[in-house]
Amino acid sequence: DAKTTQPPSMDCAEGRAANLPCNHSTISGNEYVYWYRQIHSQGPQYIIHGLKNNETNEMASLIITEDRKSSTLILPHATLRDTAVYYCIVRVRGGANNLFFGTGTRLTVIP
Amino acid sequence: GAVVSQHPSRVICKSGTSVKIECRSLDFQATTMFWYRQFPKQSLMLMATSNEGSKATYEQGVEKDKFLINHASLTLSTLTVTSAHPEDSSFYICSAKGQTRYNEQFFGPGTRLTVL
Repeated sequence: DAKTTQPPSMDCAEGRAANLPCNHSTISGNEYVYWYRQIHSQGPQYIIHGLKNNETNEMASLIITEDRKSSTLILPHATLRDTAVYYCIVRVRGGANNLFFGTGTRLTVIP
Repeated sequence: GAVVSQHPSRVICKSGTSVKIECRSLDFQATTMFWYRQFPKQSLMLMATSNEGSKATYEQGVEKDKFLINHASLTLSTLTVTSAHPEDSSFYICSAKGQTRYNEQFFGPGTRLTVL
């Protein structure tokens, strides 16, 4: 599975959009981009995933660049409950291997 | 999404005792379960992978005789920390994948183990 690079931490004002970047320059054609988050003392929570098209669900939007070497997770209206560590993971969908968690981005939503 | 539960959510035990943590897939059959460990301010580290009915595969550096994993059914895996010591204190998270629509991986809420 391809490696990802994320900033270690970010702050965001409550009510504003939080834009979390991820670089995955070695992603291969059959690898998806997944985003999970982990709120303190909880298990990881799935947010969204995509292959090459932009995706949106009730939690977030995922913007993937045309060359697929980077992506951005957007939380449109961040709340205090969105404070968490966000992990960007690339892997083959439904692959046999487990999800590899890097260091992620610690997002702090500020009142 | 599919639901994975863990029990207990937190446990405190004395050094030298054994602790069992259960992981259950509630609404799907998990052909594969993963056990992770997470120390404070660190990321999740995979400990072992288990397939139903077969022996677990342990990651390098994880003692298989200390961390006993049993995946006896398609909905239950257990992790037993034998002769626990304070350095085993950690957050243990299980994850399951199997017979869901996209064969995705789902996580339990975690178990906080404190060894005194």
